[in-house]
Amino acid sequence: NAGVMQNPRHLVRRRGQEARLRCSPMKGHSHVYWYRQLPEEGLKFMVYLQKENIIDESGMPKERFSAEFPKEGPSILRIQQVVRGDSAAYFCASSPGQGTYNEQFFGPGTRLTVL
Amino acid sequence: GQQLNQSPQSMFIQEGEDVSMNCTSSSIFNTWLWYKQDPGEGPVLLIALYKAGELTSNGRLTAQFGITRKDSFLNISASIPSDVGIYFCAGRVQGAQKLVFGQGTRLTINP
Repeated sequence: NAGVMQNPRHLVRRRGQEARLRCSPMKGHSHVYWYRQLPEEGLKFMVYLQKENIIDESGMPKERFSAEFPKEGPSILRIQQVVRGDSAAYFCASSPGQGTYNEQFFGPGTRLTVL
Repeated sequence: GQQLNQSPQSMFIQEGEDVSMNCTSSSIFNTWLWYKQDPGEGPVLLIALYKAGELTSNGRLTAQFGITRKDSFLNISASIPSDVGIYFCAGRVQGAQKLVFGQGTRLTINP
């Protein structure tokens, strides 16, 4: 089974541009999570989605950031008008369900650099 | 919000030594997880703990869920070069799906 897939692995954007990060969950997983990791830090939760629904976006910045997980296709994390402080590694994880024992498996991440 | 304090931040050991790291919190967690992250990769799940007091092993790794539900530790016995990396604890509270991560312990092994 293929694991969680993320693309691109590396993304360079200039300030003010848009960044689109894609995540395909593991086969059979319908729950997707996005986390952000700054250098030398742990991962910080951003948003939790199921197909076509945002379940928990308590970690998502209120402006410029949005996420979706459409009925067909990958989950997308979109960052509009990027700033230097958005430079980080963004990880997607997926799980087969929710609750105890439904653990999250992580993708390789997208490393965003804003010039 | 919930925070996990992980220690030590870094460890420099000789190959063959045992390693111990821990995570503490002021909040109660219902699930404790330990992940390992290699450079340029995503975290890989090592051990999951679901009950207070639970002790679980995965090869040379052993982890325990503290009885207060506010702490956990991870031990690695007889370290080998491929154990190098960053180890993260993560916790999940009752009713939530999101994980709260510690700051990580960077393990370096001298051959």
